[in-house]
Amino acid sequence: DQQVKQNSPSLSVQEGRISILNCDYTNSMFDYFLWYKKYPAEGPTFLISISSIKDKNEDGRFTVFLNKSAKHLSLHIVPSQPGDSAVYFCAASNAGNNRKLIWGLGTSLAVNP
Amino acid sequence: GAVVSQHPSWVICKSGTSVKIECRSLDFQATTMFWYRQFPKQSLMLMATSNEGSKATYEQGVEKDKFLINHASLTLSTLTVTSAHPEDSSFYICSARGGLGSETQYFGPGTRLLVL
Repeated sequence: DQQVKQNSPSLSVQEGRISILNCDYTNSMFDYFLWYKKYPAEGPTFLISISSIKDKNEDGRFTVFLNKSAKHLSLHIVPSQPGDSAVYFCAASNAGNNRKLIWGLGTSLAVNP
Repeated sequence: GAVVSQHPSWVICKSGTSVKIECRSLDFQATTMFWYRQFPKQSLMLMATSNEGSKATYEQGVEKDKFLINHASLTLSTLTVTSAHPEDSSFYICSARGGLGSETQYFGPGTRLLVL
């Protein structure tokens, strides 16, 4: 049972435009959500996170939105750059399980020049 | 800040030998470290969680006698693949999390293991 779902396996965006990556979850106990960027044969790089007590967190070009009632979060990247091309993983955790990360399957983002 | 290193970055060994991989948090104290394995074209698979000074908690299906984990200090955890076989060839990644109030895991660059 996939508790964290990234329904779009891939996304292609033009440089300078907005990239929107979506993530849905089923477990209402999750209280912390994270986005990671990953290149092949490398460890994930932490991008941005959001606690369940917030509905928005912004860091530079990256903004994460959380809609608890819909159990949905999204990562907005604006403006998108070719260097943003990578696989993006959504992950969720809760304090009750030692903060183990429950991962989505990732979305491959391609930003075209 | 929040840098995690792994050593070695890649290793080739003969079947039957043991391989040790180190994971270090360079600029913070990691009370909890996690070990993952990634198969080609698949997501990260959590192998075990280790808290400093206590025994690791292994995920279902992961052999604890095969994958020995030691978390002896707040900045170092080691994963030893004992009696390695070709099917153990994989990409192993560690992550580290700070103490109470720290919810974010920071990942190392990974270790590529090839068992011949």
